[in-house]
Amino acid sequence: GAGVSQSPSNKVTEKGKDVELRCDPISGHTALYWYRQSLGQGLEFLIYFQGNSAPDKSGLPSDRFSAERTGGSVSTLTIQRTQQEDSAVYLCASSPRGEAETQYFGPGTRLLVL
Amino acid sequence: KQEVTQIPAALSVPEGENLVLNCSFTDSAIYNLQWFRQDPGKGLTSLLLIQSSQREQTSGRLNASLDKSSGRSTLYIAASQPGDSATYLCAPLGGNNRLAFGKGNQVVVIP
Repeated sequence: GAGVSQSPSNKVTEKGKDVELRCDPISGHTALYWYRQSLGQGLEFLIYFQGNSAPDKSGLPSDRFSAERTGGSVSTLTIQRTQQEDSAVYLCASSPRGEAETQYFGPGTRLLVL
Repeated sequence: KQEVTQIPAALSVPEGENLVLNCSFTDSAIYNLQWFRQDPGKGLTSLLLIQSSQREQTSGRLNASLDKSSGRSTLYIAASQPGDSATYLCAPLGGNNRLAFGKGNQVVVIP
């Protein structure tokens, strides 16, 4: 079946603009995760959804970052007033039940803030 | 906060040699540990998942061990091939399904 998909694959924006990143999880997966991979840094956790609820938002780096999930499926990560340090690859993952199980990752969105 | 260290950061081996990639983590209160592969410009591909109650897991030429109490995991790749060239990431799973990642082992297998 189809894997996790993300769009856009690449995004270039100007400092101060807002951006929206989209994630389509594997069909039927109730848990969805966002991670960020900055140049030279390891992957860092941003937020976790179980259904449409986000039990853990503690990884969001600032209040400019927000995320939502609707219908227990698609999720959108929004970054307001982008800064150059927001440039990174944003990765989305999903898992069947949100238990201690394999997380399946999408290809990522490469964000460049000029 | 979980800290994950992967050693060596980078290595090059001739084709056919066995690979040994090491991972250590500071918080032993984990549910499982996943090993991933990442190719340049690509997302992550899950290779193996070891539950916290397991000592090792095998898939083909790959074998991963876990010593949870000492905070260590090792990924063995037997008879390496050029197609094994990639970055390998270790990720223990903690509370709230949060994966913590190391910076990876960057592997080059020379034909």
